[in-house]
Amino acid sequence: EVQLVESGGGLVKPGGSLRLSCTASGFNFNSYNMNWVRQAPGKGLEWVSSISYGSGHIYYADSVKGRFTISRDNAENSLYLQMDSLGAEDTAMYYCARDQRPQGMDVWGQGTTVIVSS
Amino acid sequence: SFELTQPPSVSVSPGQTARITCSGDALSKQYAYWFQQKPGQAPVMIIEKDNERPSGIPERFSGSSSGTTVTLTISGVQAEDEADYYCQSPESGYVYWVFGGGTKLIVL
Repeated sequence: EVQLVESGGGLVKPGGSLRLSCTASGFNFNSYNMNWVRQAPGKGLEWVSSISYGSGHIYYADSVKGRFTISRDNAENSLYLQMDSLGAEDTAMYYCARDQRPQGMDVWGQGTTVIVSS
Repeated sequence: SFELTQPPSVSVSPGQTARITCSGDALSKQYAYWFQQKPGQAPVMIIEKDNERPSGIPERFSGSSSGTTVTLTISGVQAEDEADYYCQSPESGYVYWVFGGGTKLIVL
């Protein structure tokens, strides 16, 4: 079964850091680009970052550039998001999503919740 | 970056046809994708590349494109189709992705 499972979310104080993980199974992870997408409570979807299958191409939304770092370990079938200098505006459900261009984001995880609060 | 504009909500009676639009200049040059999200669940892609249905998506879901507007059509709406629907498109070269603001489909 093709599956993505996120972990690492939690409660963190403003200015703090958190590292999210996404573990893939059931498909050839090292053949796919991967993304992080977030959704603030009661709000819409926001693309956060993407990384190509070989890590050669990495992109960020302006809202997180300079604070978040995406990475992957193909040997471990894992995707990561290092989040630093967190603010209340980063409170959201964070999803990882497989990206098979041009077919799009065809597989999503169930998400992990990040709450930034003092 | 560019923007994608969707109506906040669309209401329809069961069995009728619902149409949800998404507008943006980039849509005349880039593919559009549609996602369905039910409360407490992750998004599910229901239309890829403007008008193709991924495996397992019911035939009542269809997509179309005309100029800078794409449309998601749900024929014979069922109560279970009540959800939020998001359009999405890549920036040229797939450097980054943009989502529309989402449309809540209300089944009366």
